[in-house]
Amino acid sequence: EPEVTQTPSHQVTQMGQEVILRCVPISNHLYFYWYRQILGQKVEFLVSFYNNEISEKSEIFDDQFSVERPDGSNFTLKIRSTKLEDSAMYFCASSVRQSSSEAFFGQGTRLTVV
Amino acid sequence: SQQGEEDPQALSIQEGENATMNCSYKTSINNLQWYRQNSGRGLVHLILIRSNEREKHSGRLRVTLDTSKKSSSLLITASRAADTASYFCATDAKLGTNAGKSTFGDGTTLTVKP
Repeated sequence: EPEVTQTPSHQVTQMGQEVILRCVPISNHLYFYWYRQILGQKVEFLVSFYNNEISEKSEIFDDQFSVERPDGSNFTLKIRSTKLEDSAMYFCASSVRQSSSEAFFGQGTRLTVV
Repeated sequence: SQQGEEDPQALSIQEGENATMNCSYKTSINNLQWYRQNSGRGLVHLILIRSNEREKHSGRLRVTLDTSKKSSSLLITASRAADTASYFCATDAKLGTNAGKSTFGDGTTLTVKP
């Protein structure tokens, strides 16, 4: 069964450092998403990406965040200068169509900023 | 106000009993999805119900949707200890209105005692 894969599963970084979270969406999917879940809280939408550009972003997705699809398979989330409050589980998701279809989620990357 | 609120927040039952979780939302939706999350793990998609559907079954899962009341319920029948997890509903807004992103609720934590 096709699946969205995320690496690494756990990342520990120093405050102020840059991190890149990687995702390999399902191959025939066209819409890509990043979500965040702070420990004990709800899953929050960060950004959606289609046709090599951001289609929507939340207020959480400020200038320290960026996304990129550097090649035909990877979809990355970069946090330029991490803060303690960026510690969370980050989920990548992909879907065939915008809305109306189930988005497949990866297992997540747990980011710990120390 | 919050889109996608589940109740109860926590539910504890004995193995074999049925578990019912409810979700309410505020805006018009295109579809509603239920996800399961084991502690500290990724999101597992359970079932999607479209706005023109009223009920859907998948194995021991039964989901209902009442768009007039903007609510949905997830019923797990004959629960097992392995069903212990957090359950989230997520709504996708109608096309043209923040379409493509899912808005998650706070979740219901289900504990099934053996």
